[in-house]
Amino acid sequence: GNSVTQMEGPVTLSEEAFLTINCTYTATGYPSLFWYVQYPGEGLQLLLKATKADDKGSNKGFEATYRKETTSFHLEKGSVQVSDSAVYFCALSDWNYGGATNKLIFGTGTLLAVQP
Amino acid sequence: NAGVTQTPKFQVLKTGQSMTLQCAQDMNHEYMSWYRQDPGMGLRLIHYSVGAGITDQGEVPNGYNVSRSTTEDFPLRLLSAAPSQTSVYFCASTDGQGVYGYTFGSGTRLTVV
Repeated sequence: GNSVTQMEGPVTLSEEAFLTINCTYTATGYPSLFWYVQYPGEGLQLLLKATKADDKGSNKGFEATYRKETTSFHLEKGSVQVSDSAVYFCALSDWNYGGATNKLIFGTGTLLAVQP
Repeated sequence: NAGVTQTPKFQVLKTGQSMTLQCAQDMNHEYMSWYRQDPGMGLRLIHYSVGAGITDQGEVPNGYNVSRSTTEDFPLRLLSAAPSQTSVYFCASTDGQGVYGYTFGSGTRLTVV
């Protein structure tokens, strides 16, 4: 079945450091891919998305490129801030399938802690 | 404000009690889902609905019941609460396209003692 694997945390960085959080997926066909962010005590917010191969999603300085050849969707940011401290979830949606149920499948989440 | 509204935000139950977690959205979304979030396990799908009157089981449906009588509401019922159901529960909705991602509620933190 469909699944998402992301790097375990916590990831601890100093402010202005470069961030990469790895995400790979297993799916049949061409799922849509998402990164969600969860700040402490809050629900999940959509950070960025990509719906087809080679698409690049971007938002708030974060980027991720849909790589079908490596089945990956790694999250990157050039210079992190303390306010980026949160849990980041990679996810896929099976919407692109015929008769799809549009379920969202999540990775286990990666905690990012940015120190001043 | 438009979005997904969950109530209550916090709840403590005794083992064996039943309760309903409420979820409502005002975006006319077809698809709605319930997830539970547990440490180290990400979010797991409990039940989902592709429209009013249509529901189906997700990854971890045991002990939970749902119905979808209107487009707006998708309540989650705990039939007989167990300590293993201690978790944070999130309701989410999306339009039929899927590509725009889901909108999540702020969650219900449930403790079963």
